[in-house]
Amino acid sequence: SAVISQKPSRDICQRGTSLTIQCQVDSQVTMMFWYRQQPGQSLTLIATANQGSEATYESGFVIDKFPISRPNLTFSTLTVSNMSPEDSSIYLCSVERGLAGGEQYFGPGTRLTVT
Amino acid sequence: SQQGEEDPQALSIQEGENATMNCSYKTSINNLQWYRQNSGRGLVHLILIRSNEREKHSGRLRVTLDTSKKSSSLLITASRAADTASYFCATPGWNTDKLIFGTGTRLQVFP
Repeated sequence: SAVISQKPSRDICQRGTSLTIQCQVDSQVTMMFWYRQQPGQSLTLIATANQGSEATYESGFVIDKFPISRPNLTFSTLTVSNMSPEDSSIYLCSVERGLAGGEQYFGPGTRLTVT
Repeated sequence: SQQGEEDPQALSIQEGENATMNCSYKTSINNLQWYRQNSGRGLVHLILIRSNEREKHSGRLRVTLDTSKKSSSLLITASRAADTASYFCATPGWNTDKLIFGTGTRLQVFP
């Protein structure tokens, strides 16, 4: 199994500022995923991050708003830029356990509140 | 949207009762997965059922899959207060690694 940590666990930020969320995995993984979970909602995939290449963004998410870094096989960051109250969500990173499309391990999430 | 639908949206039961949650999806799948989320925290994988399987058990969990109806159910038997959580089904997108999550069921088990 993979152990995933995220920093910060929660934050309260002012609108117009940016926050960078870190995701650390205890083993090397090829693909990392970033999800957003708005209050009371399900998870929506923001982007998929491969080491050494640009992240692949889902419809409705753009790099300028959610820049992602993937400098090595155990680490990734997601930045939420120019925040507004609508960005208040839980942000989660995950990795695959094995085969593509199989089970994923999730980090504990970052609870972001934008005032 | 490809997102699956789950019902009920919320379910409240007493300890010892069984809880059944249903998931419907829209496209052909290789597998279907169920996850649990406690109080806005990270998700925990519960069980994966492959498209050629009809039923799978893991402890007090029983999952069924009906590919002809594009639906799955999760049964938790002899529920406990600790089972209180949100439960999500998820399916992989066709020929991709990404997971598409259902809308979720919030389960409350009263002691």
